[in-house]
Parts: sequence; structure tokens; C-alpha cells
Amino acid sequence: GQQVMQIPQYQHVQEGEDFTTYCNSSTTLSNIQWYKQRPGGHPVFLIQLVKSGEVKKQKRLTFQFGEAKKNSSLHITATQTTDVGTYFCAGWSSGTYKYIFGTGTRLKVLA
Amino acid sequence: DVKVTQSSRYLVKRTGEKVFLECVQDMDHENMFWYRQDPGLGLRLIYFSYDVKMKEKGDIPEGYSVSREKKERFSLILESASTNQTSMYLCASSHRDQPQHFGDGTRLSIL
Repeated sequence: GQQVMQIPQYQHVQEGEDFTTYCNSSTTLSNIQWYKQRPGGHPVFLIQLVKSGEVKKQKRLTFQFGEAKKNSSLHITATQTTDVGTYFCAGWSSGTYKYIFGTGTRLKVLA
Repeated sequence: DVKVTQSSRYLVKRTGEKVFLECVQDMDHENMFWYRQDPGLGLRLIYFSYDVKMKEKGDIPEGYSVSREKKERFSLILESASTNQTSMYLCASSHRDQPQHFGDGTRLSIL
């Protein structure tokens, strides 16, 4: 079936280090959305990318959507303890109207 | 701001009981979703509804049913609860292919 895999599954970093999570879909996506889930919380929407090759920035976070609209990445520069949580990518599969969540990357930041 | 309200934050039921989880959204969204989230397994889609009385099976519909009689309300029903349905249940809503808004979740324990 249609899948969206994220790597790595877990990442521990020292505060101040950079962090990247990669999202790979088995199918073309019409858009990609990124969410952050804090421990004990629910997923909260961060950003949406729609165009092939699109890059968006939110302060220390940089999001990219691949040219083929099958992959995406989230890069955090100089992590802070407030970045702790699980990051999910998700998107609508082109043509099938099916919404697929990625497997998630759990980030721990050590002070 | 969009509000998605789940009827209970915590719920304890017995094996074999019929369990109803309710979700209400206040933004006239067409789409509503039910997920379950278990440690290490990410978010798994149970059912999805794109309009009143319309539903689509997700990845793990077995043992569950849903009801959408009004646009703002989406109910998840466990026909005969079993211990393997102990989990965190998350409801979400969205307008067409826009980002999803989540409720706070219901932590359901089946004894």
C-alpha cells in the first residue's frame, strides 16, 4: 500500500547541533504538511508545501519539497530544548484522495 | 481558531462493552479523521469521512465503525471492546486538502 517513511526514527542531539529528518513517499503527493507533537500532546501543524522544489523557512526550521513531490525534509539549525518532540510529515496522495502520515522522527535534545 | 473537541480525555471500559468516542469540530470542515496512536507505531488511520454520511476505511478499520450524521460530529464506535484496543485515539478535521487540526485525544483503557 501507499507509505510514507521517515528517517531517522529517533535522533538524540546536543543542544546547539543541527537536526534533519527525511520523508519519503511511495507515491506522488499533491502537497506535504509537517506537524510537531510534543510529549503528551497532539500533532500541531507547522507548515505546508505545495510546489515541486519548494523551500520554506520558519525561523530556525527549513522545509523542502522534492522535485518529484515524493520526498521532503525538515532541517533545524542550532536545536534548542524546546524542539523536543516527534516530527511527522503527511500529505495527500495525488489522484487517490488519500491522506498519509509519515512514520515520524522523535527528537531528543540534550542540554 | 479551529477547535476540535473530543468528549473524554481518559476513558476506562470493560472487555465486550460497546464504546463510543465523540468528536466535534466548529469550523464547518468537510473532512474528519479518526487515528489511533501507539508507542513506536506513529499515527494509524482508522476511518475517514469526507462528508455527512460518507466514510472510507483507513489502514486499521477492523473492530471499529463510525458515524457522521451531522457535519460537525464524527463518532468512533468500538462494537465489542477488546484489550488490544487500549490506545490513544485522536480525532482530526480539515478543509479539503488543507492541514489537519487535532483534538487533545482520548486515552482509552480496556480492562
